[in-house]
Amino acid sequence: DAGITQSPRHKVTETGTPVTLRCHQTENHRYMYWYRQDPGHGLRLIHYSYGVKDTDKGEVSDGYSVSRSKTEDFLLTLESATSSQTSVYFCAISESLVNEQFFGPGTRLTVL
Amino acid sequence: KQEVTQIPAALSVPEGENLVLNCSFTDSAIYNLQWFRQDPGKGLTSLLLIQSSQREQTSGRLNASLDKSSGRSTLYIAASQPGDSATYLCAVPTGANSKLTFGKGITLSVRP
Repeated sequence: DAGITQSPRHKVTETGTPVTLRCHQTENHRYMYWYRQDPGHGLRLIHYSYGVKDTDKGEVSDGYSVSRSKTEDFLLTLESATSSQTSVYFCAISESLVNEQFFGPGTRLTVL
Repeated sequence: KQEVTQIPAALSVPEGENLVLNCSFTDSAIYNLQWFRQDPGKGLTSLLLIQSSQREQTSGRLNASLDKSSGRSTLYIAASQPGDSATYLCAVPTGANSKLTFGKGITLSVRP
């Protein structure tokens, strides 16, 4: 299995609080992605990174920001969490555009 | 905009049956297609990646085919077992940075 970890694995927070999720990889892959998975919507891309300090928006990026200061770490921040951001968040990595994407174990976030 | 469809949403079969899971996509300008498995409450496990230059890819009892011109892929599972029960998702890379567009998955139940 690809070396991808996500932390925390579970989090419960209150509306309006900031939250940061971390994705860590040991594969030295260039591309990293954040997805969210929701019933009825499936998996949707939030943000992605194509290198250190190189990031771009996905289809559901409103309310989220990301940072990648090192190859191995990709952070997803909810500046002010809302109940609509209750979801399961997955990080993925890929060596190149034509290679497989490998997914982390996910973070279950509940915003009360 | 790429759309990926998986029908039916759920499937229940007796153990031992050979299965075909279908995936269709609207934009045939893809360079690969990936099949994943997801167990309840877990992350996504990559099963097969099939490049656009390939017609088939095999791994154990799994065989994936790709027909770009018709916008279809199939995942064939031979001699199904209860342990194959899971949700199966297909995904295609979209855009300049391979953001995956997912189908909503087929939830498979294999009855003993």
